[in-house]
Amino acid sequence: TQLLEQSPQFLSIQEGENLTVYCNSSSVFSSLQWYRQEPGEGPVLLVTVVTGGEVKKLKRLTFQFGDARKDSSLHITAAQPGDTGLYLCAADGSGNTGKLIFGQGTTLQVKP
Amino acid sequence: KAGVTQTPRYLIKTRGQQVTLSCSPISGHRSVSWYQQTPGQGLQFLFEYFSETQRNKGNFPGRFSGRQFSNSRSEMNVSTLELGDSALYLCASSLGGTGANEQFFGPGTRLTVL
Repeated sequence: TQLLEQSPQFLSIQEGENLTVYCNSSSVFSSLQWYRQEPGEGPVLLVTVVTGGEVKKLKRLTFQFGDARKDSSLHITAAQPGDTGLYLCAADGSGNTGKLIFGQGTTLQVKP
Repeated sequence: KAGVTQTPRYLIKTRGQQVTLSCSPISGHRSVSWYQQTPGQGLQFLFEYFSETQRNKGNFPGRFSGRQFSNSRSEMNVSTLELGDSALYLCASSLGGTGANEQFFGPGTRLTVL
């Protein structure tokens, strides 16, 4: 069974701090996606990483895909209250079909 | 381009009843996937439809079923509702071809079973 383990599960920080969220697996994935979800809404796609070692930046968010394509990280620089939400990593669970396996998520709270 | 829409947004049912949820994908997307989200289990894959055929299925009982129409719109049905079926049901659409499978989610249907 393919599993994605996210850490930490909860994070409460002050505005301006930096943070990193990790997504790990023992399986190799062809691609990995990061989503952000706000209460009562569906997840919103932030980024897709495909190549081992790939680094993508989205404003203050930096995403990295591990060299072996088994893990990924999300780093937020100078977090703001608007970054508050549930961050989810997801990977293709069945070879390019519509089955995503999700990590349990990281709930981030950024206090002003 | 309009996003994924789901109806209804909220639903309250009692045990034993059945429910049908609807999902309209992004125009041009041929794949629709359904997920159940609960606080304890997180997001779990239910099934995926592509070109009106179920292409993949998760580990849910047969009470959970779905279908897809020729315009790619999809419905899922849950029969004989149980209290544990209370959850946020999300559908996601994608192009469905090969390559990185980027899925775009709707706002979800919040189902409460009493």
